[in-house]
Amino acid sequence: NAGVMQNPRHLVRRRGQEARLRCSPVKGHSHVYWYRQLPEEGLKFMVYLQKENIIDESGMPKERFSAEFPKEGPSILRIQQVVRGDSAAYFCASSLRSTTMNTEAFFGQGTRLTVV
Amino acid sequence: GQQVMQIPQYQHVQEGEDFTTYCNSSTTLSNIQWYKQRPGGHPVFLIQLVKSGEVKKQKRLTFQFGEAKKNSSLHITATQTTDVGTYFCAGPSGTSGTYKYIFGTGTRLKVLA
Repeated sequence: NAGVMQNPRHLVRRRGQEARLRCSPVKGHSHVYWYRQLPEEGLKFMVYLQKENIIDESGMPKERFSAEFPKEGPSILRIQQVVRGDSAAYFCASSLRSTTMNTEAFFGQGTRLTVV
Repeated sequence: GQQVMQIPQYQHVQEGEDFTTYCNSSTTLSNIQWYKQRPGGHPVFLIQLVKSGEVKKQKRLTFQFGEAKKNSSLHITATQTTDVGTYFCAGPSGTSGTYKYIFGTGTRLKVLA
């Protein structure tokens, strides 16, 4: 029973390139969340998606960042024209239900993005 | 906006000593969750507290939710080297019906053998 799978685990991009981060949720989970963690800091909510829908993207920068969760396949977090400040660990989490009560989030191993 | 703060930011203890981290929210929370993140790892869910004044125990870990549901604490008795990591509390944002947790700033625990 696989947990949340993220790939790649490590990603190095030059400034101006695109970064694509993938997340396959726990089997049967249709709710996906992306968080960003800067070194030595906590996790910052970015976006919450259900299948084919963005529910809440209030934590995602308006420019260069986008997320999707297609009907088939993993959720994708896309960062265009990366800058050094995008270097961080990006974690994906999934849950069975959307409500906040008695809902445990399962986190993936994260993708550590380094922009050089 | 809603903020969740934790103190202390760092804590070094000798193995066998106790450890406590405190979590304070700027708003009343419907529930609070605790996660542990090992160095270089990912957050792992520990527990969720829902009721005012609730106390839950997991072996050497004791979790408490304040009466006003704005603060929480995690206490570890007789720390071991396996307890090393960063402990985060997380509370749901004010928007009902959606899952959006605000994570605390974390307390990084180092246990000296």
